[in-house]
Amino acid sequence: GNSVTQMEGPVTLSEEAFLTINCTYTATGYPSLFWYVQYPGEGLQLLLKATKADDKGSNKGFEATYRKETTSFHLEKGSVQVSDSAVYFCALSDQRGAGNMLTFGGGTRLMVKP
Amino acid sequence: NAGVTQTPKFRVLKTGQSMTLLCAQDMNHEYMYWYRQDPGMGLRLIHYSVGEGTTAKGEVPDGYNVSRLKKQNFLLGLESAAPSQTSVYFCASSYSVLLQASRFQETQYFGPGTRLLVL
Repeated sequence: GNSVTQMEGPVTLSEEAFLTINCTYTATGYPSLFWYVQYPGEGLQLLLKATKADDKGSNKGFEATYRKETTSFHLEKGSVQVSDSAVYFCALSDQRGAGNMLTFGGGTRLMVKP
Repeated sequence: NAGVTQTPKFRVLKTGQSMTLLCAQDMNHEYMYWYRQDPGMGLRLIHYSVGEGTTAKGEVPDGYNVSRLKKQNFLLGLESAAPSQTSVYFCASSYSVLLQASRFQETQYFGPGTRLLVL
């Protein structure tokens, strides 16, 4: 079956530090990959996505590249801000048919200190 | 557009009580989902629906029932609440885009969540 593994948190960084959150996956077929972000007290918001190998998803300064050879989709940001403090979820959706289910990783909490 | 909305935002139940959580979306999406979120476990799919009048079981369906009588609404029911059902419940909806032959890409949009405490 499908699975997603994320690095455990919390990750604590100072403002303007470089961020990497690791995500690896196992899947049958050829999945789409996603990063969702959850701010305190809110639902999940789509941060970025990629649908095929070597695609790079990007949004709000965050980037992730779909690496089929290493089955990874690591999230990076060059300079984090306090407002980036949230829980980040890596997820995959297999593309075998419509109405696909998402498989989530356990989430990584990021705390950015001024 | 309101997107995906959930009612109520918070509820406290006693063991054995019943309740229904309502999810509504105004994006004309075909697919809707109910997840539960527990600490350290990410989100787990309870039930989902690929269209009006259809539902299917997800990863953790026991103790829950669902109905999709209208395309825009997806109801999650707890017939007899148990403390193990204390959780945060999220609804999501999505559309599907055909990328190429037999390959689809789908993005799910989430509601703000319902926090449920069962005593």
